Amino acid sequence: NAGVTQTPKFQVLKTGQSMTLQCAQDMNHNSMYWYRQDPGMGLRLIYYSASEGTTDKGEVPNGYNVSRLNKREFSLRLESAAPSQTSVYFCASSEADRGSGNTIYFGEGSWLTVV
Amino acid sequence: KQEVTQIPAALSVPEGENLVLNCSFTDSAIYNLQWFRQDPGKGLTSLLLIQSSQREQTSGRLNASLDKSSGRSTLYIAASQPGDSATYLCAVRRRAAGNKLTFGGGTRVLVKP
Repeated sequence: NAGVTQTPKFQVLKTGQSMTLQCAQDMNHNSMYWYRQDPGMGLRLIYYSASEGTTDKGEVPNGYNVSRLNKREFSLRLESAAPSQTSVYFCASSEADRGSGNTIYFGEGSWLTVV
Repeated sequence: KQEVTQIPAALSVPEGENLVLNCSFTDSAIYNLQWFRQDPGKGLTSLLLIQSSQREQTSGRLNASLDKSSGRSTLYIAASQPGDSATYLCAVRRRAAGNKLTFGGGTRVLVKP
């Protein structure tokens, strides 16, 4: 029972390099999210996709792009990595982005260091 | 803007003691509040979800209360065990933010044997 799977687990990038974080969920969820977690800052939403074919900016979208490839997959791209993007990135999914209170499920995280 | 605060940032208790974790939020117009557990190097696992119309939710040794009028939620863990050592985060889903979750900074808990 995989749930939310994200790759890679660890990555070191040089400033200016690009990379894509991959995320897939096997729960047939409509909504998917990318968060970053920094010490003392909690989790902050980067981008989300309420349903297949749609994406929207979250709280901290600058420097990132996303693609909702299909219902299962939601990728996060750093076009030109900066040291400020050193963080732990979490992908998450939920059945629907409604206020009724669907539980959100998280992947295990991707540790990214930009040097 | 919604602010979600968890105080203290860290907590250490002896095994068997009850744990009380606090979460406060500034905007009471929420759909629900959720408590998560995060183990080191892992993602977040949902513990309890309280709808805005509810006052509390219980699951085993865990009980979470919600007081929207005062902007507070409390997570109680009865008879703590070393396995309860983790970081606990609360998050609110609010109408004004397009139903997105806003997280607190978390409380890191250590239960000493």
